[in-house]
Amino acid sequence: DVKVTQSSRYLVKRTGEKVFLECVQDMDHENMFWYRQDPGLGLRLIYFSYDVKMKEKGDIPEGYSVSREKKERFSLILESASTNQTSMYLCASSFRGGQGRNEQFFGPGTRLTVL
Amino acid sequence: AQKVTQAQTEISVVEKEDVTLDCVYETRDTTYYLFWYKQPPSGELVFLIRRNSFDEQNEISGRYSWNFQKSTSSFNFTITASQVVDSAVYFCALSEARTGGFKTIFGAGTRLFVKA
Repeated sequence: DVKVTQSSRYLVKRTGEKVFLECVQDMDHENMFWYRQDPGLGLRLIYFSYDVKMKEKGDIPEGYSVSREKKERFSLILESASTNQTSMYLCASSFRGGQGRNEQFFGPGTRLTVL
Repeated sequence: AQKVTQAQTEISVVEKEDVTLDCVYETRDTTYYLFWYKQPPSGELVFLIRRNSFDEQNEISGRYSWNFQKSTSSFNFTITASQVVDSAVYFCALSEARTGGFKTIFGAGTRLFVKA
């Protein structure tokens, strides 16, 4: 069974802390994505990566960074967490190519609360 | 600009009722793909269907059917004889060929409650 796993389902952090969210996929996908999901806003793309060590900003990258040292792993970093980063974070992966036709496979999400 | 609108925030139905989830999209690209995903309470979005911009044929898969109409820029999803297990948030999404699939735009989602 193909899988995208995320390191934590629930996380509570304090303002100013550095936060690491990890995502691992076992499907040998080239593309990996980080989204945040907020009520009424759907999913918004934070960063994506199409290869190891490659990363591109999405629509809302401010306050976040990412790391992709291995093909299967994509990490999201909140350098200094703030309360407005309280959200559900979803990781996804897909095959590259296909000019947009490839569906994404999602992890279960990490619900982050910043106090 | 690309945009996906799901005007229905929440829908509540009784089991065995039919329900249609609406999706309207905007794009300037001529080649694009439309998707539906289901997010059950467990949180993990699951892919349901994909349609490309050149294929307006409607599709039926069991109790699910999809109606794609380019003339109205809509890609609606109907569940026939709904069941409690259909309770979830459903997302419509758009991916344009020009972005290579890297920037899929998701609608805000429609939360479906199916009551027994």
